[in-house]
Amino acid sequence: DAGITQSPRHKVTETGTPVTLRCHQTENHRYMYWYRQDPGHGLRLIHYSYGVKDTDKGEVSDGYSVSRSKTEDFLLTLESATSSQTSVYFCAISRTGQAETQYFGPGTRLLVL
Amino acid sequence: GQQLNQSPQSMFIQEGEDVSMNCTSSSIFNTWLWYKQEPGEGPVLLIALYKAGELTSNGRLTAQFGITRKDSFLNISASIPSDVGIYFCAGQGQGAQKLVFGQGTRLTINP
Repeated sequence: DAGITQSPRHKVTETGTPVTLRCHQTENHRYMYWYRQDPGHGLRLIHYSYGVKDTDKGEVSDGYSVSRSKTEDFLLTLESATSSQTSVYFCAISRTGQAETQYFGPGTRLLVL
Repeated sequence: GQQLNQSPQSMFIQEGEDVSMNCTSSSIFNTWLWYKQEPGEGPVLLIALYKAGELTSNGRLTAQFGITRKDSFLNISASIPSDVGIYFCAGQGQGAQKLVFGQGTRLTINP
């Protein structure tokens, strides 16, 4: 298994509060990704990183920000959580950026009340 | 943005039956991927396809990259209980960092 951990694995929060999810890798891979998974939508890309301090927006980036200050950590922040951000969040890593080399973490289940 | 339509959304079959699912796109992709996801876990790559017309197998799983480059198919032969899960297709366009995922096919198997 690829060395990816996500924390927390489960979180319940209230609308309007900030939330930060962490993705940590031990593989020294260059590329890291944040997806959200919702019924009927599959996985949708929120943001991705192609190196330390290098990030770009994905398909559903509104309401989310990311930071990558070191290779092993990629943080996803919900500035002010809304109920529409209730979802399961997956981190993925890739050594080359090629599609087939993406490995997914175990996911974080977030409930915004 | 790009969209993938995956069908069927769910399947209920008997153990031993063959399974077929497919994905279609409005755009051309250069890479097609098929993943399986089990409860509480992230998706795991099953098969990757790189060329139009390519047919690739992984045990009882066979996937094809459509000739038009706008579709892909996954077949599972002689299903067994451990095949239960959600199967996702995903595509990547030329030069694109991003993967686009289908909505998933939930497979349930009656023993």
